[in-house]
Amino acid sequence: SQTIHQWPATLVQPVGSPLSLECTVEGTSNPNLYWYRQAAGRGLQLLFYSVGIGQISSEVPQNLSASRPQDRQFILSSKKLLLSDSGFYLCAWRADRGLKDTQYFGPGTRLTVL
Amino acid sequence: QKEVEQDPGPLSVPEGAIVSLNCTYSNSAFQYFMWYRQYSRKGPELLMYTYSSGNKEDGRFTAQVDKSSKYISLFIRDSQPSDSATYLCAMSVWITGGGNKLTFGTGTQLKVEL
Repeated sequence: SQTIHQWPATLVQPVGSPLSLECTVEGTSNPNLYWYRQAAGRGLQLLFYSVGIGQISSEVPQNLSASRPQDRQFILSSKKLLLSDSGFYLCAWRADRGLKDTQYFGPGTRLTVL
Repeated sequence: QKEVEQDPGPLSVPEGAIVSLNCTYSNSAFQYFMWYRQYSRKGPELLMYTYSSGNKEDGRFTAQVDKSSKYISLFIRDSQPSDSATYLCAMSVWITGGGNKLTFGTGTQLKVEL
């Protein structure tokens, strides 16, 4: 079966510091990968998605970047965090092929920027 | 106007009640419709998945889609305290170059009381 991991689970960072969040998927190959942010009281906002290694699409201009160095690894980064980057970051995967065209989410990383 | 509208609640019901959760949408290109359940401080988990108008039942849960009215619903029968969570509707479209993109409602917070 497929599993998705995210770490760290919780992170508190000062404004201006760098960020690196990691997501890995097991049990599937060539997944589509997604990064979302969920702010308090708001829905999920798609930040980046990737259909393959080195292929990154950005949904919104912002202080963040994403990379996919390996087939099942997706990284969210920032060089300098802003207060507005605080939120719950979720990684999701979608099977490249299969009956259900939907996405499955990881446990999330709660980021607080102070 | 948002592509997907969902009443944020909170919705409070007694144990055993029938719960009705709803979303409306404006984009006719949406092809697949999902309901996710999200417990506090956790990642969303897929609850129901449908792709055609009509009803789909899974245990105590029934998902209903009316494409002509651009309206989807989730019904929970015999609600339990363990159903207390935020319920997110989501809809998907294909992305140029492969993969899909989900658009989420803001979520309805449900509390089932003893």
